Amino acid sequence: AQSVTQPDIHITVSEGASLELRCNYSYGATPYLFWYVQSPGQGLQLLLKYFSGDTLVQGIKGFEAEFKRSQSSFNLRKPSVHWSDAAEYFCAVGAAGRGSTLGRLYFGRGTQLTVWP
Amino acid sequence: KAGVTQTPRYLIKTRGQQVTLSCSPISGHRSVSWYQQTPGQGLQFLFEYFSETQRNKGNFPGRFSGRQFSNSRSEMNVSTLELGDSALYLCASSYTQGAGNTEAFFGQGTRLTVV
Repeated sequence: AQSVTQPDIHITVSEGASLELRCNYSYGATPYLFWYVQSPGQGLQLLLKYFSGDTLVQGIKGFEAEFKRSQSSFNLRKPSVHWSDAAEYFCAVGAAGRGSTLGRLYFGRGTQLTVWP
Repeated sequence: KAGVTQTPRYLIKTRGQQVTLSCSPISGHRSVSWYQQTPGQGLQFLFEYFSETQRNKGNFPGRFSGRQFSNSRSEMNVSTLELGDSALYLCASSYTQGAGNTEAFFGQGTRLTVV
């Protein structure tokens, strides 16, 4: 069965500190992996995605993620966190659906990030 | 380019009523997906439409239905509302760049409260 686990429900870091958010997935086929961020009352904004190729992917706002097939992980990192990064972060896994569609995405339960000034 | 537009943003309905939510995808996007987000269940997939055809469906009861129009706009309908249907409903539009390279853009959602 397909699933995504984000082990950390809540993480608190100081501004300027480094950040790593964990994501483990279970997927029967080659996964397509995503990280999204959600601010309160808002929709989801895509930070980065992995489809194939280089396992270290760069995203917006200075985020990066590394795909490790052997560990079924896709952890999100940022070298220096800003106060504006405080939000909820979601990892998602999917595969190309039929034809030209994205298909169903499976989301983790999210990690709430708090940033101390 | 305008983003994904969902209307209305907020909605309050009474148990037993029905509701229709609307989603206008990004221009040029032909695929629209719907997700339900609740504190208890997280983000759950409802269905996906492409070229007016339902391509994928999640594990929701038949009270949840959707459709897509020729201009790619989509609506979802929930009949006989229950308290547990209170949630943020998110619409995502997507496109394919080839070789399975797709990306979903989400709207701001419709907050449905059932009382």
